[in-house]
Amino acid sequence: GQNIDQPTEMTATEGAIVQINCTYQTSGFNGLFWYQQHAGEAPTFLSYNVLDGLEEKGRFSSFLSRSKGYSYLLLKELQMKDSASYLCAVMDSNYQLIWGAGTKLIIKP
Amino acid sequence: GAVVSQHPSRVICKSGTSVKIECRSLDFQATTMFWYRQFPKKSLMLMATSNEGSKATYEQGVEKDKFLINHASLTLSTLTVTSAHPEDSSFYICSASSRDPYEQYFGPGTRLTVT
Repeated sequence: GQNIDQPTEMTATEGAIVQINCTYQTSGFNGLFWYQQHAGEAPTFLSYNVLDGLEEKGRFSSFLSRSKGYSYLLLKELQMKDSASYLCAVMDSNYQLIWGAGTKLIIKP
Repeated sequence: GAVVSQHPSRVICKSGTSVKIECRSLDFQATTMFWYRQFPKKSLMLMATSNEGSKATYEQGVEKDKFLINHASLTLSTLTVTSAHPEDSSFYICSASSRDPYEQYFGPGTRLTVT
């Protein structure tokens, strides 16, 4: 079956760095997405990786290793507004998004 | 650009009634729209995929007679929850894409509470 695993919850301090990991097993691979979701709101797109390596976009970076079925989202210079759930999703061979359950990130002052 | 709206944002209905949720792409033509359901602290669950002018494709375990989906135009899809029950209470999110399957734009979601 298809499976996306990510930690349920993480806590970090304002101004620090946090890495959220995601491992996946899917039928086919057409890219991995990271989304941010604030409580009661729809997900918003953060990043897309289809090739191995690191993609940097401001304070957020995303890494992919296809051979390991592994990705991480790195958040630097954490701000209180970064408190949210971070969803990892993989597009399978049918171009369907398979979603992880999300990682709730709590930022403490 | 690429804005998707949903209406209503919140709805409370009585058990046994039907509720219609609208999803609109405001500034692009959505050839495909997706309907998701999300329970608290759970992942998004794809309910169905609809292409304009054709019948929706439902995921396994989703009752097509209970969750009626209509994609009548390139900018509008509707989800009707028929004979709603308290267990249907959830957060319903639609997303829309044009021809590029990699780009899905999400609506703001609809919180349904069935009493």
